[in-house]
Amino acid sequence: GENVEQHPSTLSVQEGDSAVIKCTYSDSASNYFPWYKQELGKGPQLIIDIRSNVGEKKDQRIAVTLNKTAKHFSLHITETQPEDSAVYFCAASKGSNYQLIWGAGTKLIIKP
Amino acid sequence: DSGVTQTPKHLITATGQRVTLRCSPRSGDLSVYWYQQSLDQGLQFLIQYYNGEERAKGNILERFSAQQFPDLHSELNLSSLELGDSALYFCASSVESGVDTQYFGPGTRLTVL
Repeated sequence: GENVEQHPSTLSVQEGDSAVIKCTYSDSASNYFPWYKQELGKGPQLIIDIRSNVGEKKDQRIAVTLNKTAKHFSLHITETQPEDSAVYFCAASKGSNYQLIWGAGTKLIIKP
Repeated sequence: DSGVTQTPKHLITATGQRVTLRCSPRSGDLSVYWYQQSLDQGLQFLIQYYNGEERAKGNILERFSAQQFPDLHSELNLSSLELGDSALYFCASSVESGVDTQYFGPGTRLTVL
C-alpha cells in the first residue's frame, strides 16, 4: 500500500529564513497532496494542498511543489515568523475513494 | 474554530475501564474520521464513517469501536483500557471523501492511570 515518508522530523531555522519540508510517496497513482499544520494544543489544520495536474501552488509565504517523476512533494515557508512554529504533516491520497496516508510529521522551530 | 466539537476535553480513568468519546461534525459534513495521537507521535488513523456507514478502517484495536448516528455525530468507544491507550484522540470531518479538506476538532486527551 501507499507509504509517505517525511523529512526532517525536526527543523530549526532562524526567524526570517526559509524552511523546507519534504515528503516522498510510494504509490504513483496518488494525486492529492495536502499539508496540515498543528499548533500546540490544537487539532491539525489544512494550510495548502496540491493536485497532481499542478507542479506548484503558492499562498502568500507558503508554497508546495510536486515532482511526480521523483514522487516527492515539498512545503516551502519563506520569511519565517514565530507563529510558524508548529508540527507540519504531509499526506497523500489516490482519490476520493481512498484514505489519506499521513507522514510522521515535522516539528518546525523558529528561533528568534 | 473548525466547527467540529469533541467532548469531553479531558478524561482520566483507570486501566480496565471503558470510555466513550463524542464528536459532532461540521454542519453539512457526512464523513467523520477518528485519529489517535500519542505523545510526540504522528496521527494514527483509526476509522472513518460516511453517512452512518463504516467506510474505512485503519489501525484500530479490537477493544475500540465506533459508530455514526443518524444525526451524523459519532462516538468512539474504548474498552479494557491499558496504560498505552493514553493519548489525544481527534475527530475530523469532511464533506464526503478523503480528498476533501478534513476539519479537526480540538481533541480529547485521555489519561489511563
